[in-house]
Amino acid sequence: QKEVEQNSGPLSVPEGAIASLNCTYSDRVSQSFFWYRQYSGKSPELIMSIYSNGDKEDGRFTAQLNKASQYVSLLIRDSQPSDSATYLCAVNPGSYQLTFGKGTKLSVIP
Amino acid sequence: SAVISQKPSRDICQRGTSLTIQCQVDSQVTMMFWYRQQPGQSLTLIATANQGSEATYESGFVIDKFPISRPNLTFSTLTVSNMSPEDSSIYLCSVVMVNTEAFFGQGTRLTVV
Repeated sequence: QKEVEQNSGPLSVPEGAIASLNCTYSDRVSQSFFWYRQYSGKSPELIMSIYSNGDKEDGRFTAQLNKASQYVSLLIRDSQPSDSATYLCAVNPGSYQLTFGKGTKLSVIP
Repeated sequence: SAVISQKPSRDICQRGTSLTIQCQVDSQVTMMFWYRQQPGQSLTLIATANQGSEATYESGFVIDKFPISRPNLTFSTLTVSNMSPEDSSIYLCSVVMVNTEAFFGQGTRLTVV
């Protein structure tokens, strides 16, 4: 069974700090990896996609992928209260379907 | 990305009735999916909506309960049939673009009483 594991949190960080979110996956053939942000009562919003090993930076967000360790992470620099949300890790094993983790709830404390 | 319009945004329904949710995309997309998100949970894939043919359902979901149509490349419907309180969830339409990035509609918050 394909699984995506995330720490459910809540993860609390002070404003301005770095938030680190982690995700592991079980299906070694997975090719595409995504981070979604979901505010309470809203639908998931894609914030990062990563397809190859290494780091990918977009503004305050950095996604990191290590396929050998089956590990994906998301770093949020200079965290803001508006970053408070649930972050969902999603993995695509190659069939266009996504398998989602349960999500990590992040709280940024002013 | 695509603009995805999903409606209704929310509804309160009586048990035993059915609700049809519509998903309209502003451009032709490769794939369309329907997800369910139960309270406090992550997303669970219900089915892949196939254009012009029967949907492909995931384990635990059946066509009689969740009939799906996709008459063309930009439109799909999901019906939740013979509803019970356990069907109270958020239902989400998702589309996948050619680079495999998936985008979601606004969701339909369903409450069954």
